[in-house]
Amino acid sequence: EAGVAQSPRYKIIEKRQSVAFWCNPISGHATLYWYQQILGQGPKLLIQFQNNGVVDDSQLPKDRFSAERLKGVDSTLKIQPAKLEDSAVYLCASSLDTGFSTDTQYFGPGTRLTVL
Amino acid sequence: GQQVMQIPQYQHVQEGEDFTTYCNSSTTLSNIQWYKQRPGGHPVFLIQLVKSGEVKKQKRLTFQFGEAKKNSSLHITATQTTDVGTYFCAGPNAGNMLTFGGGTRLMVKP
Repeated sequence: EAGVAQSPRYKIIEKRQSVAFWCNPISGHATLYWYQQILGQGPKLLIQFQNNGVVDDSQLPKDRFSAERLKGVDSTLKIQPAKLEDSAVYLCASSLDTGFSTDTQYFGPGTRLTVL
Repeated sequence: GQQVMQIPQYQHVQEGEDFTTYCNSSTTLSNIQWYKQRPGGHPVFLIQLVKSGEVKKQKRLTFQFGEAKKNSSLHITATQTTDVGTYFCAGPNAGNMLTFGGGTRLMVKP
């Protein structure tokens, strides 16, 4: 079974530029998560989708971050404009069932973003 | 809001020594999950505990969930170099979204 796919794996941009990340979850997984992991910290949930609807985006900085999952499969996360403090690894995860916390989450390899 | 704390932040051990990491939540949890992240890798699910006082074992790893369902621990017996990585606990917040602890980074000297 293929895992969660993410691209690009690495991205370097200058502050105030825009960037987009792509995620393809495990086939059949209804729930998709975007996490931000700053170096030395645990993952922080940014947004959670169930199919193409948003379940929770309370920790997403909506003035600069946006995410979508139009057809309930792939998802994109965008940052516009980027700030230095956005430097982090952006992890996508998916789970099979209802989106409840008891579902096992499978993480992708992440995109490492460096903002200069 | 809910906080999930882990101690220690770092641990160096000699290969063969035991290792324990502790996880504490500011709120009672319906369940707790443990993940392992190898250096340069992504978090990989290890186990989930649901019942008060629950103890589960995976080979040399022993996971416990506290009676009050606010704390948990992971104990590794006779560490090996393959155990190197950061171990995270995670519990659901009021909105049922997972909150991760800061992790404990384990380093094993051969």
